[in-house]
Amino acid sequence: QVQLQESGPGLVKPSQTLSLTCSVSGGSISSGGYYWTWIRQHPGKGLEWIGYIYHSGITYYNPSLKSRINISVDTSKNQISLNLSSVTAADTAVYYCARHRLSGYSDWFDPWGQGTLITVSS
Amino acid sequence: SSELTQDPTVSVALGQTVGITCQGDSLRTYSASWYQQKPGQAPVLVIYYKTKRPSGIPDRFSGSSSGNTASLTITGAQAEDEAAYYCSSRDSSGDHLMFGGGTRLTVL
Repeated sequence: QVQLQESGPGLVKPSQTLSLTCSVSGGSISSGGYYWTWIRQHPGKGLEWIGYIYHSGITYYNPSLKSRINISVDTSKNQISLNLSSVTAADTAVYYCARHRLSGYSDWFDPWGQGTLITVSS
Repeated sequence: SSELTQDPTVSVALGQTVGITCQGDSLRTYSASWYQQKPGQAPVLVIYYKTKRPSGIPDRFSGSSSGNTASLTITGAQAEDEAAYYCSSRDSSGDHLMFGGGTRLTVL
């Protein structure tokens, strides 16, 4: 059973770069068939798709964040990473990683990691 | 338009049937998936591929779609179904994913 676990600094100062890691266990990222997605949720708000990556390195990003984000994959560590630059208080959120399946005209995210709260504050 | 619209709140009496809808132009092409989120927890997939349920999801949850509207139906709502529900799909370009604003379900 695939499990995902996010890890990150918890607190980041404004203007700095946020770096998060998603560790995947119970399955290999490099086996293919799935994308790996980052999603965030501002406190008390809804879900926001950030972007996703395939094991080959192909990425798609949310246009509203594209200039500040980079998602990468390390198949040797079975990890996905998210870097978000020039953070502000508006980037304070719970960040989730999720396994993403695409089939035809259908996408779905399952399972999700437990999420990690990132607070941007000086 | 590139957005998915959900009613912010819906309520249902215990044991009754409730429908939660998600509207968006992209749903004419792309299927919706549905997620249940309880306070303090990560979202959980409850419907994918329009109508399919993952293993472990009770069969009182069902999905359907018509035109620009996807629907999640709970037949015989239980107290433990009280949660926020989010739909997700692609935008009209097909390159990006998006979520609806979420529906908070109250079971009375």
